[in-house]
Formats: sequence, C-alpha cells, structure tokens
Amino acid sequence: NAGVTQTPKFRVLKTGQSMTLLCAQDMNHEYMYWYRQDPGMGLRLIHYSVGEGTTAKGEVPDGYNVSRLKKQNFLLGLESAAPSQTSVYFCASSYEWGMNTEAFFGQGTRLTVV
Amino acid sequence: KQEVTQIPAALSVPEGENLVLNCSFTDSAIYNLQWFRQDPGKGLTSLLLIQSSQREQTSGRLNASLDKSSGRSTLYIAASQPGDSATYLCAVRSGANNLFFGTGTRLTVIP
Repeated sequence: NAGVTQTPKFRVLKTGQSMTLLCAQDMNHEYMYWYRQDPGMGLRLIHYSVGEGTTAKGEVPDGYNVSRLKKQNFLLGLESAAPSQTSVYFCASSYEWGMNTEAFFGQGTRLTVV
Repeated sequence: KQEVTQIPAALSVPEGENLVLNCSFTDSAIYNLQWFRQDPGKGLTSLLLIQSSQREQTSGRLNASLDKSSGRSTLYIAASQPGDSATYLCAVRSGANNLFFGTGTRLTVIP
C-alpha cells in the first residue's frame, strides 16, 4: 500500500532556483494539501485542492504555486527559492472533509535553500 | 482562527508508566480531532480519529478522549515502551481546508 508518496525526499537549492515537489496518492482521494513544518510553529497549510483541476490558497501561500491536473497528483512549485522557504514539506490527502474523514500524510521533503 | 496548544512540549517517563498528553483548541466548532505520531525525520502516522460526536476512541494501548465544549482532548498511553518515543501531534478539522495543528509533545520513554 503506497498511500501518499512524495518526491524528492531531500533537496538543496540555491537562492533564486526553481523546483517542483510531486505528491502522488493512490487512494482516490478528492482532497489534497501541502503543508510546511518549521520548528516551534507546527504544520501550516500552503495550498490545497478539493478536486482535479481546482486549487486554493491556505495560510502561507506566498512564493508557492500548485497544480492538480490529475486527481492523483498534486504539485508544489517554487519559482524563485528563498532561504525563508527552507523547511520540511508534507503532502496530505483525504477522501472528504466530514466528521469521519482521516487525513493521510506523505513522508515529507526536506528542502534547504542556501 | 483556530489555535491548537499542546502541553507539555516535552515529556520524559520511565518505561512502564502510564501517561497523558494534552491538546486544547479555541474554537469548539470542529468536525473531528486526529492524533498523529511523528518519528524524527519521518512523516506523520495517524493514530486515532475522534469525530465531533464521539467522546473517545481506543486503539491498543492508546485511548483518546474529546470534550468539545471545553476545547480539550487527551491521549492516554498505557504501559509506555521505549518504542513509543516520538513526537505526538494533535490536529483539529474545522472544514475542507482547515486542519489546524498543535506544535506537538516530544515523548521520551526511558528503558
């Protein structure tokens, strides 16, 4: 059972470089999310999607873009990386958002911007 | 905005001890609350999900309770083991895009 898979697991970027993080889920979930985790701040929502072809901003969207061209994939892009984007990024998915909805997380991508 | 607080930030206990982790939230209008475990450098593993209409959920040595009106949840771990050492996160769901996390409790179980 793959669940939620994130690619890559580690990456080092130079300031100004761009990259794309890939999240893939095999559970046929409608909802997908990108979070970042920073020490002492908990996980914060960057962007989310409620279905194929839809995206919306979360709590900290600046400097990031996303796309959901296929239901199973959710891409997070950094157009011009900054040191402040050094963080651990987590992707999550859920079937819906009701009372019985459980969120499933990937293993994370550790990004360092130098 | 929903605020989630977890106390204590760190906890160290001897093996075999029963322990309680606390989670509080400011807005009682939630759909559910989920407890996660995170090992160093790893992702989040879901432990328990409590729906807003429920009072508690149990899985093995874990028992989670929810008091929505007072904005509190506890995670009880019975007979702790060194393998339970990890960071425990609670998260409350308030809508489609709103899964709010606490900053976690780092648990160390000493053999």
